[in-house]
Amino acid sequence: QLQLQESGSGLVKPSQTLSLTCAVSGGSISSGGYSWSWIRQPPGKGLEWIGYIYHSGSTYYNPSLKSRVTISVDRSKNQFSLKLSSVTAADTAVYYCARVCFSSGAFDIWGQGTMVTVSS
Amino acid sequence: DIQMTQSPSSLSASVGDRVTITCQASQDISNYLNWYQQKPGKAPKLLIYDASNLETGVPSRFSGSGSGTDFTFTISSLQPEDIATYYCQQYDNLPYSFGQGTKLEIK
Repeated sequence: QLQLQESGSGLVKPSQTLSLTCAVSGGSISSGGYSWSWIRQPPGKGLEWIGYIYHSGSTYYNPSLKSRVTISVDRSKNQFSLKLSSVTAADTAVYYCARVCFSSGAFDIWGQGTMVTVSS
Repeated sequence: DIQMTQSPSSLSASVGDRVTITCQASQDISNYLNWYQQKPGKAPKLLIYDASNLETGVPSRFSGSGSGTDFTFTISSLQPEDIATYYCQQYDNLPYSFGQGTKLEIK
């Protein structure tokens, strides 16, 4: 059973860089037919898709965050990562990683989520 | 970007009721629409993909329909464990986008 687990800093100072990692277990991140995404959810609000990466390393970022986002993959560790630079309080959210089925565009497997607070 | 608009934003219903949520896309997205259930403190869970296909293991009381710009999500007989927020999501065009959510409560 494929599982995803987020990890990283839970508290980030304004203007600094948020860094999170998603470890994939029970399957390979190099499996064809899937991409690997980050989604976030501010407290009490809806879902915002941040971007995805394929195992090949190709990426697509939401234009609303594109200038500040980097998603990378480490196939040797079976994990992918998110960096979000120049954070503000508006970036405070639960961050989820998820697998995206290429054919249906569906986020079919999710991590449990990790809360990141931006505060000095 | 494609905007997804759900209605209602919140809904109160009784156990056994038939519940319907609608999702409207700002442009034609064919059937490239998925539905998710999110319980408090938990990650979203995929229920319906491609507008009307039930994800494996999801109870048959959940269903979806529609194409183009107008979509419907239905719970045929509301159960207490269905209390959650429901989201639609389009994948016709990047960036992927979600509706604002519909919070379902028990009356």
